[in-house]
Amino acid sequence: DVKVTQSSRYLVKRTGEKVFLECVQDMDHENMFWYRQDPGLGLRLIYFSYDVKMKEKGDIPEGYSVSREKKERFSLILESASTNQTSMYLCASRSLGGGEKLFFGSGTQLSVL
Amino acid sequence: GESVGLHLPTLSVQEGDNSIINCAYSNSASDYFIWYKQESGKGPQFIIDIRSNMDKRQGQRVTVLLNKTVKHLSLQIAATQPGDSAVYFCAEKPGSWGKLQFGAGTQVVVTP
Repeated sequence: DVKVTQSSRYLVKRTGEKVFLECVQDMDHENMFWYRQDPGLGLRLIYFSYDVKMKEKGDIPEGYSVSREKKERFSLILESASTNQTSMYLCASRSLGGGEKLFFGSGTQLSVL
Repeated sequence: GESVGLHLPTLSVQEGDNSIINCAYSNSASDYFIWYKQESGKGPQFIIDIRSNMDKRQGQRVTVLLNKTVKHLSLQIAATQPGDSAVYFCAEKPGSWGKLQFGAGTQVVVTP
């Protein structure tokens, strides 16, 4: 069974902290994605990665960075967390031949106080 | 910019009835559409997709209809069950190199 695992279900951080959100997939997928989900706005793409050490900005990359040192792991970094980054963060992966069928993790609800 | 939108934010359906979830898109360059289902506490799950060279595609208890003339997409769920209660997202992909653009979602509530 395919699995995308996000390290934390809930996270509470303070303004200005550096935050790491971790995501691991066990499907040997080449592509990985980070989205944020806000009520009424659907899912918005922050960053994605075609392969190891490759990354591209999505629609809302400001305030975020990513790291993909290994194929199975894709990390989202908030260099200096702000209250407007309070959101649900979803990681997803996709195989090269899998079209647009994304496999999502269960999400990390981040609260920045 | 152009965006994907939904007509109804919440849809209440009686168990056993058919559900129809609507989605309007505005990007005429979109040639691929996909529906995801998100149950409470879980990430979105793929339901069904359709390419713009098709008008209809059927899956297990679900049918997606595409009307390119009016830029409208719908997801029909037959004999809705309690397990169908979820938020449903449509998404469009504008061309081969475009990224998926998600709509805001529709909450489907199945009542006994």
